[in-house]
Amino acid sequence: EPEVTQTPSHQVTQMGQEVILRCVPISNHLYFYWYRQILGQKVEFLVSFYNNEISEKSEIFDDQFSVERPDGSNFTLKIRSTKLEDSAMYFCASRQGRKLFFGSGTQLSVL
Amino acid sequence: EDQVTQSPEALRLQEGESSSLNCSYTVSGLRGLFWYRQDPGKGPEFLFTLYSAGEEKEKERLKATLTKKESFLHITAPKPEDSATYLCAVQASTSGGSQGNLIFGKGTKLSVKP
Repeated sequence: EPEVTQTPSHQVTQMGQEVILRCVPISNHLYFYWYRQILGQKVEFLVSFYNNEISEKSEIFDDQFSVERPDGSNFTLKIRSTKLEDSAMYFCASRQGRKLFFGSGTQLSVL
Repeated sequence: EDQVTQSPEALRLQEGESSSLNCSYTVSGLRGLFWYRQDPGKGPEFLFTLYSAGEEKEKERLKATLTKKESFLHITAPKPEDSATYLCAVQASTSGGSQGNLIFGKGTKLSVKP
């Protein structure tokens, strides 16, 4: 069964460094999303992406964040200058109909 | 403010002991209510979508129902493999057109003992 793939599964970085989280959505899906989950808290919407542009973003998704679809398969989330509070599990998702299909996530730890 | 509250936070059942999980929501206009299952270290896995009060969906031992204020996930004769965190999420009319902007609850962690 097709699935959303995320790499790396764990990422450790120093505060102020840039990180890029990578995702390969399911191949025939057109809508892509990033969510995050801080330990012990709710899953939170960050951004949605369609037709090579952001279609919606939350208040969390400030100027430090950016998304890109650099080729026909990858979808990336970049955090320019990481903060301690960016430590979380980041989930990529793609949508078919009303169903969101989530990847297994990247655990980001900012030290 | 749109909000989703799930209860209980944690639930321990014996195998075969049926129970229900609750999801209460406050949204300006409900476009859809979703149930997901999340296993440790994994992303949420889609279970059901409900759109209007009175609607019900079933899958194996799970049955989801919806009223104007809450949804229930009924688990009949659970097995240990049903152990997971069950997440409820809503899409509100105030969200944009992406249809993927979901507001999640904190989840109910279900443990089923053999």
